[in-house]
Amino acid sequence: EVQLVESGGGLVQPGGSLRLSCAASGFAVRSNYMSWVRQAPGKGLEWVSIIYSGGSTYYADSVKGRFTISRDNSKNALYLQIHSLRADDTAMYYCTSLTGQFLEWLWIDYWGQGTLVTVSS
Amino acid sequence: SYELTQPLSMSVALGQTARITCGGNNIRSKNVHWYQQRPGQAPVVVIYRDDNRPSGIPERFSGSNSGNTATLTISRAQAGDEADYYCQVWDSNTVVFGGGTRLTVL
Repeated sequence: EVQLVESGGGLVQPGGSLRLSCAASGFAVRSNYMSWVRQAPGKGLEWVSIIYSGGSTYYADSVKGRFTISRDNSKNALYLQIHSLRADDTAMYYCTSLTGQFLEWLWIDYWGQGTLVTVSS
Repeated sequence: SYELTQPLSMSVALGQTARITCGGNNIRSKNVHWYQQRPGQAPVVVIYRDDNRPSGIPERFSGSNSGNTATLTISRAQAGDEADYYCQVWDSNTVVFGGGTRLTVL
């Protein structure tokens, strides 16, 4: 059974840093497209970042330069390092895996339950 | 960057048909996926690649994609269908979501 379990969220002051973790089971993170999606309270879904099975990474413009996605194949885990946190980064952060035979087909087949990041002084 | 437009909200009477639209420039050229998010839960895919239903999703859920509009159709709406629905496409190494539609079942 596929499972994604996020951790690392919490209350952090503006300008602070945080590292989110996602423990995966039931499949190999290194073989999949993995992504972070966030959702501000009462708002819609916002894609944050993706890492390809080959290791390439991409980011939403709103987080470029502040967020870094990475993975640890030995731990079968996905990470999101966040720096220079702002109030508008407050959101539930979901770890997701994507599937699809071709890049243009990619959709999210599994979601974690999310970890809440609150940025406030 | 590519943009997807959804109505903010809509309502449907119990047992009737809801059609949720997702607009985008020549969206017909893209694969559109739909997610359902119930309150307090993570999203779940209900339609992938325009008109495919994952196992476990009722046949009442269907999708179509033509021109500049993709549509999620929910037939014989039930109280349990009340949720937020998001369309999604892939564009230039990014995942793009629509703004979401809140469906109310009356």
